[in-house]
Amino acid sequence: GQQLNQSPQSMFIQEGEDVSMNCTSSSIFNTWLWYKQDPGEGPVLLIALYKAGELTSNGRLTAQFGITRKDSFLNISASIPSDVGIYFCAGYSGGGADGLTFGKGTHLIIQP
Amino acid sequence: ETGVTQTPRHLVMGMTNKKSLKCEQHLGHNAMYWYKQSAKKPLELMFVYSLEERVENNSVPSRFSPECPNSSHLFLHLHTLQPEDSALYLCASSQAAGTGGDYNSPLHFGNGTRLTVT
Repeated sequence: GQQLNQSPQSMFIQEGEDVSMNCTSSSIFNTWLWYKQDPGEGPVLLIALYKAGELTSNGRLTAQFGITRKDSFLNISASIPSDVGIYFCAGYSGGGADGLTFGKGTHLIIQP
Repeated sequence: ETGVTQTPRHLVMGMTNKKSLKCEQHLGHNAMYWYKQSAKKPLELMFVYSLEERVENNSVPSRFSPECPNSSHLFLHLHTLQPEDSALYLCASSQAAGTGGDYNSPLHFGNGTRLTVT
């Protein structure tokens, strides 16, 4: 099946720093999604990307759909304590539920 | 958050027990899903129901048995589980029937049931 390589696996940063994470694949996707999972909760959708090259922002979050359709990145500017959590990328290649592939997640930890 | 509700939040069961996980969605969606989340692994799709009919079953062991009595409720019946089945089980729903994350209807997840099999 398809696989997504999400990196980094974890990040330890200071409050106020910018964050960048990405997902890459050998497969092409039609849609890229970024989810965040807070401790003890389910993943929540942050940003959805539908076109190659698309750059979309949601507050301090910015995500881009790679031009090759095989990658995507998520940036968080000026991190704050509530940004702590696990961030998942997901790529959709169509064809039903099996067409959605998740990355393993990036665990963001903010040090005081 | 009242979108997708899962109960119980935590469950500890022995390998010979029978238990059920419950999921309810209040979003008016027509597709519901069970995912398994294990540490350091991607989310694994287990079952999909679209309009109350099962449309996906990704080679899940028969000790997991789903039930979808209507478009708002989803159950996962568990029996004779193994310790490696310990994980967070997430329910999700979407508007796009059976497409699991279609571009115009991404998944809405519940908070999960943390299952421990002893």
